[in-house]
Amino acid sequence: EVQLVESGGGLVQPGGSLRLSCVGSGFTFSDSGMSWVRQAPGKGLEWVASLRQDGSEKDYVDSVKGRFTISRDNAKNSVYLQMNSLRVDDTALYYCARGYSWVDLWGQGTLVTVSS
Amino acid sequence: EIVLTQFPGTLSLSPGQRATLSCRASQSVGGSDLAWYQQRPGQAPRLVIYGASNRATGIPDRFSGSGSGTDFTLTINRLEAEDFAVYYCQQCDSSPWTFGRGTKVEIK
Repeated sequence: EVQLVESGGGLVQPGGSLRLSCVGSGFTFSDSGMSWVRQAPGKGLEWVASLRQDGSEKDYVDSVKGRFTISRDNAKNSVYLQMNSLRVDDTALYYCARGYSWVDLWGQGTLVTVSS
Repeated sequence: EIVLTQFPGTLSLSPGQRATLSCRASQSVGGSDLAWYQQRPGQAPRLVIYGASNRATGIPDRFSGSGSGTDFTLTINRLEAEDFAVYYCQQCDSSPWTFGRGTKVEIK
C-alpha cells in the first residue's frame, strides 16, 4: 500500500523542540521530493518546507526559517522536520506529503501543540 | 508572496448540480504550477487537479480544471455526496508556495 505515516507530535512548551518523522512505503521514496504542510485547528493549509529527492535543494516558509530544518534519509524511506524555538502559533496538525511543489500523497498528520 | 483568493467562500448546492470554484492569484502563475485539493471533514487533503487542468490519479472525470495567468477554475459536474468538502487551490510558481483559504461546497 502506498502511504506516508507521521510520528513525533505532542505537547511542548514555547521555546521547546520537537522532531517529526515520516516514513513512506509502497513507492520509490528516493525518487520523490517531500514536503511538510500544516493546518492550525479550524484553519486552512500552510506549506512549511520542501526537500528535493537527493536533498540538494530545500525551501521554507519565512515564518519557520532559522527555526525548522527539513532532512531525509533515503535508506530509511524517511523525511524529518526538526522544529526548534517553537511558538504558540506553530500549533497545528503537521502533514507529510510527497512532492516538492504540488503534492500527490498525504499522510494522516501528527498533532503539535505548543502551550505552557 | 503570491496571494490566492478563492471565491465564493461557501457554495450551497444540491446533489446533481454543477459547482464552479474560482481561484485568483495576486500575480501571474505558470499553468503548470497551480493545483487543487479536496479535504473532507476529519481527513487529510487529496490532490484533485495539478498543472491547472490535469486530473490526479483516481479522480473522476466530473472534476475539471481550467485557467491561466491569474484566474483559475475548478468545475465539478453532477455533484455527488462524496464531493461535499472544502477545496483549496495552491500555487507553486514562486516560493513560498501558498494556498488559498478554501471554498466549502456544502449540501443545500
